[in-house]
Amino acid sequence: KNEVEQSPQNLTAQEGEFITINCSYSVGISALHWLQQHPGGGIVSLFMLSSGKKKHGRLIATINIQEKHSSLHITASHPRDSAVYICAVRAAGNKLTFGGGTRVLVKP
Amino acid sequence: DVKVTQSSRYLVKRTGEKVFLECVQDMDHENMFWYRQDPGLGLRLIYFSYDVKMKEKGDIPEGYSVSREKKERFSLILESASTNQTSMYLCASTGGPLGYTFGSGTRLTVV
Repeated sequence: KNEVEQSPQNLTAQEGEFITINCSYSVGISALHWLQQHPGGGIVSLFMLSSGKKKHGRLIATINIQEKHSSLHITASHPRDSAVYICAVRAAGNKLTFGGGTRVLVKP
Repeated sequence: DVKVTQSSRYLVKRTGEKVFLECVQDMDHENMFWYRQDPGLGLRLIYFSYDVKMKEKGDIPEGYSVSREKKERFSLILESASTNQTSMYLCASTGGPLGYTFGSGTRLTVV
């Protein structure tokens, strides 16, 4: 079993829909990261969370430390949100353990 | 903004060549990392460094070495490139409000 599990693996939405990506982890962490990677592109950090909720534009990230679970929400989705979203947890030594990623396609 | 710069976006090298991948960050971060990314395998840690001249093996160090002579520069070295090292290589450093900053990646093809 992977230490970081994401669901779903793939997601297709119509423009304007609300999207949720889930991440569960099994280890103790100091922080959880949500990352975005567009096709052929580098990786961009979206959020770093250790508790509660953060919002940036149309993106919202939440974490429940007791349940070892985080969600990334995209409100009013747009075709430019089409990307792979990766959950990663930071444990000892600042090393990241990555989830398998969720491939999101938003159709116009 | 923190910047992590990888020297090449695309590289093609021959089997057996010695290959250097360079990464420079401009924010005085102590921790730097090299990952490779492969379809179906995700991101895997090759090596990391928490200070000048310090290095630690990650999950897949075989066939690679690293050099950190200056704080801002972390080099990944493929001593004798092989076709199974064809991959996307990503450098990262830790620091700032988002915690991790990645470079734009180097897509290496070994022929």
